Amino acid sequence: SQQGEEDPQALSIQEGENATMNCSYKTSINNLQWYRQNSGRGLVHLILIRSNEREKHSGRLRVTLDTSKKSSSLLITASRAADTASYFCATSYGNNRLAFGKGNQVVVIP
Amino acid sequence: GAVVSQHPSRVICKSGTSVKIECRSLDFQATTMFWYRQFPKQSLMLMATSNEGSKATYEQGVEKDKFLINHASLTLSTLTVTSAHPEDSSFYICSARGNQRDTLGYFGPGTRLTVL
Repeated sequence: SQQGEEDPQALSIQEGENATMNCSYKTSINNLQWYRQNSGRGLVHLILIRSNEREKHSGRLRVTLDTSKKSSSLLITASRAADTASYFCATSYGNNRLAFGKGNQVVVIP
Repeated sequence: GAVVSQHPSRVICKSGTSVKIECRSLDFQATTMFWYRQFPKQSLMLMATSNEGSKATYEQGVEKDKFLINHASLTLSTLTVTSAHPEDSSFYICSARGNQRDTLGYFGPGTRLTVL
């Protein structure tokens, strides 16, 4: 199965700074998705980028996708304390099953 | 957006007992539901995929006799952890999808299982 895998990172940043996290995967994809998980909670879908897209924006989020390098990045601009969470990338395969990466823990200090 | 609920949110049980976790799609019909398991500080691992009215498809390494999945209706899937042991303690999360063209999964809030 495919696995999205983030470079293992725990980010601790000041409120207002930007947070960048990366994800790499192994096989070809139809799309790549980013999710947020607050501690002990379910996942919230943030953004989906298709394999023929290179960059996508949604509010303070910017996602890039480089299919030649099989990697993606998620940028959160002007971070807020409420952005403190774990962020996962996921790739879909066979019957829209999702393979998740290891996750990035982001702590935004007020 | 679509809402998926899980019940219970937390459960503590003794070793050897069985625990049932429910996953409901509240405002849409879910043709497919997915069950994931997440250990502390780790990622989500897909356990099985269930389609309404048919048997679940389990991922490699997941014991189908231990993790019983029933998807009897378009709004409800259940995961039963049979003869639970401490190593089954985990966070179980379901995801529901409305139709084949829906690439997004709507996730439930998760169920924290602790087996003593």
